[in-house]
Amino acid sequence: DQQVKQNSPSLSVQEGRISILNCDYTNSMFDYFLWYKKYPAEGPTFLISISSIKDKNEDGRFTVFLNKSAKHLSLHIVPSQPGDSAVYFCAASDNRDDKIIFGKGTRLHILP
Amino acid sequence: DSGVTQTPKHLITATGQRVTLRCSPRSGDLSVYWYQQSLDQGLQFLIQYYNGEERAKGNILERFSAQQFPDLHSELNLSSLELGDSALYFCASSVTPGAHNEQFFGPGTRLTVL
Repeated sequence: DQQVKQNSPSLSVQEGRISILNCDYTNSMFDYFLWYKKYPAEGPTFLISISSIKDKNEDGRFTVFLNKSAKHLSLHIVPSQPGDSAVYFCAASDNRDDKIIFGKGTRLHILP
Repeated sequence: DSGVTQTPKHLITATGQRVTLRCSPRSGDLSVYWYQQSLDQGLQFLIQYYNGEERAKGNILERFSAQQFPDLHSELNLSSLELGDSALYFCASSVTPGAHNEQFFGPGTRLTVL
């Protein structure tokens, strides 16, 4: 049973436009959410996170929005750049243990 | 470069065999995590060690085992290998345990079981 779902396996966005990556979760005990970015032949790298006490966190071109009632979070990238082409993993954790549950990832293609 | 090293990069072996994957965490990181990424799957958490002690266990098969040594490097042992064990295996490290801490990932070991 997948607790963290990224329902879009891939997404194509024009360079300069906004990229919106979505993530849904089922476990209401999750209290911390993270996004990781992965290039081919490399390990994932941390991008941005948000605590369940907030509904928005911004870091430069990247903003994560959390809607706890809908158990939904999204990552916005504005403006999208060619270097943003990668696989993006949504992840969630429960403060009661150290496990992080990852989604299957969304492959983002930034089109020239 | 995350500072986490994993060896080997690629490993090809046959069913029924046993292999050992090695991970060296970033300097100063005490916590090591192992993940498996199979085709079309997300990162599946396997096991975590902190300062030599097992701290958390995920969906790790009984055929798999791991340990963290006094110098903090870690090894993941996979035995009685099956075709379905073919995957990318990532190691990650963090300064302290706790899912809220940023984890730094190595480049992974690609295991192919024939």
